[in-house]
Amino acid sequence: GDSVTQMEGPVTLSEEAFLTINCTYTATGYPSLFWYVQYPGEGLQLLLKATKADDKGSNKGFEATYRKETTSFHLEKGSVQVSDSAVYFCALMPGGGADGLTFGKGTHLIIQP
Amino acid sequence: EAGVAQSPRYKIIEKRQSVAFWCNPISGHATLYWYQQILGQGPKLLIQFQNNGVVDDSQLPKDRFSAERLKGVDSTLKIQPAKLEDSAVYLCASSLSGGSTDTQYFGPGTRLTVL
Repeated sequence: GDSVTQMEGPVTLSEEAFLTINCTYTATGYPSLFWYVQYPGEGLQLLLKATKADDKGSNKGFEATYRKETTSFHLEKGSVQVSDSAVYFCALMPGGGADGLTFGKGTHLIIQP
Repeated sequence: EAGVAQSPRYKIIEKRQSVAFWCNPISGHATLYWYQQILGQGPKLLIQFQNNGVVDDSQLPKDRFSAERLKGVDSTLKIQPAKLEDSAVYLCASSLSGGSTDTQYFGPGTRLTVL
């Protein structure tokens, strides 16, 4: 079945550091790929998405590129802030739309001032 | 625009008791999902509705879990009887049409503790 693997956390960085959170997937067909974020005390919210190969999703300074050849969707940000501290989830939706989202286990990001 | 509403936010019960969760999706959203999120893991789909019909319930433990979406709007998820391993956050999400490119919008979740 479909699966998503993302790097284990917690990931601790200093403010203004460069961030990469790795995400790889296994799926048949052509899934859509998503990054969701969960800030402390809040619900899951969409950060960015890409729906076909080579698409780049971006939002709030974060970027991720849908790489079909490496089955990856790594999340990057050039300069992180303390307010980026949260849990980040990589997820996929199968091409047919049914079955809902398949999530990775989440990566807890901690940004220190 | 109002988001996805869920209640209650927290629930503590003894094992073998029953419990029900309620979800009101974003107005106009045809597709509704229930996910279970165990501590330290990503959410796992339990059931997906399209309007008032079930699209996928392959991961729903049907011996104890049930869900309905009468009239294609609100939904309830019930557990009867609860087990210790059911302790988790239960998330409701909705999307416009359920397509693979649609964004799912999540509610705040119900945190269930089974003692």
